[in-house]
Amino acid sequence: DQQVKQNSPSLSVQEGRISILNCDYTNSMFDYFLWYKKYPAEGPTFLISISSIKDKNEDGRFTVFLNKSAKHLSLHIVPSQPGDSAVYFCAEGGSTSGTYKYIFGTGTRLKVLA
Amino acid sequence: SAVISQKPSRDICQRGTSLTIQCQVDSQVTMMFWYRQQPGQSLTLIATANQGSEATYESGFVIDKFPISRPNLTFSTLTVSNMSPEDSSIYLCSGYLGKYNEQFFGPGTRLTVL
Repeated sequence: DQQVKQNSPSLSVQEGRISILNCDYTNSMFDYFLWYKKYPAEGPTFLISISSIKDKNEDGRFTVFLNKSAKHLSLHIVPSQPGDSAVYFCAEGGSTSGTYKYIFGTGTRLKVLA
Repeated sequence: SAVISQKPSRDICQRGTSLTIQCQVDSQVTMMFWYRQQPGQSLTLIATANQGSEATYESGFVIDKFPISRPNLTFSTLTVSNMSPEDSSIYLCSGYLGKYNEQFFGPGTRLTVL
């Protein structure tokens, strides 16, 4: 059974410090891992993705790390800003058996304190 | 990127009625998806909307309950049929662009069934 777990429902971080959001998966049949950010009353917004053949991808303040042996994914935000306060979802996805599918975690609510 | 709009943004419906949600993308996308996010839970894929053919449903979701149409590459509808309070949820559509293997989401439709 495919599962993506975010074991921390919430996280608080001081402005300017690093935010680390974690995600574990059970089995990966997919090519990509992704992070989304969601503000209240809005749809999720794509942040960053990483191919399953890589272990790091960086885009500005956002870096995603993939540890395949541990089946663990993390998102680092440096420096954290109050506008980063949102719910963050990790997901795995890609093509399988001719169709595209995405499995999302339950989300972590990040609060960046000014 | 693509901009996705959904109508209605929210609705309150009576048990036993049906609601059709519309999803419009401002550019052609290869794939469109429908998700449900129940309170406090993750995004769960309902189905992949296929242009010109029947949607592909995930386990636990059936066409009689969630009929889907996709007449072209920029538009899709999801109907929630014979609603019960358990159908109260946020319904989201998304389009797949594939540049980073990501999807773009609409703002969601918040459905409350009394």
